[in-house]
Amino acid sequence: QLQLQESGSGLVKPSQTLSLTCAVSGGSISSGGYSWSWIRQPPGKGLEWIGYIYHSGTSYYNPSLRSRVTMSVDKSKNQFSLNLSSVTAADTAVYYCARRSSSTPEDNWGQGTLVTVSS
Amino acid sequence: EIVLTQSPGTLSLSPGERATLSCRASQSVSSSYLAWYQQKPGQAPRLLIYGASFRATGIPDRFSGSGSGTDFTLTISRLEPEDLAVYYCQQYSGSPRTFGQGTKVEIK
Repeated sequence: QLQLQESGSGLVKPSQTLSLTCAVSGGSISSGGYSWSWIRQPPGKGLEWIGYIYHSGTSYYNPSLRSRVTMSVDKSKNQFSLNLSSVTAADTAVYYCARRSSSTPEDNWGQGTLVTVSS
Repeated sequence: EIVLTQSPGTLSLSPGERATLSCRASQSVSSSYLAWYQQKPGQAPRLLIYGASFRATGIPDRFSGSGSGTDFTLTISRLEPEDLAVYYCQQYSGSPRTFGQGTKVEIK
């Protein structure tokens, strides 16, 4: 059974970089056709899709965040990562990782991790 | 970017009643690449429906989806207390993928 688990710093200072990792278990990050997404949800608000990355490193970022987002993959550790630079309080959210493909929605989600931006 | 608008914002119904949730897209969603998620308090979203009308694995048949083009509907045929949640639609036909703002289902 595929499982995803987010980890990373829960508190980030304004202007710094938010860094999160999603560990994949019960399946390979290189399994055919799938890519790996990040989605976030500010407290009490709706869902915002951040982007995705393939095991090859090919990625797509939401234009609203593109200038600040970098995603990467570590196939040896079966995990992928999100970096978001120059954060502000507006980046405070629960961050989720998930599996997707070009023809399927996000079908397996991690439990989410809360990141708070505050000095 | 495809904008999804969900209605109503909140739905308050009794157990056993039928719930009808709407999702309208700002442009046609090709291949009916429209999904519905259920998010219970404190939990991650769970995929209910994909391809507008296909139930995901393990989803009870009281949940059904319909629609095409720009108008989609999620129906819960007989509401149960555990259906208390916020329901989101998502389009995955265009980039970036986008979500509706959610419909909260309350149980009377």
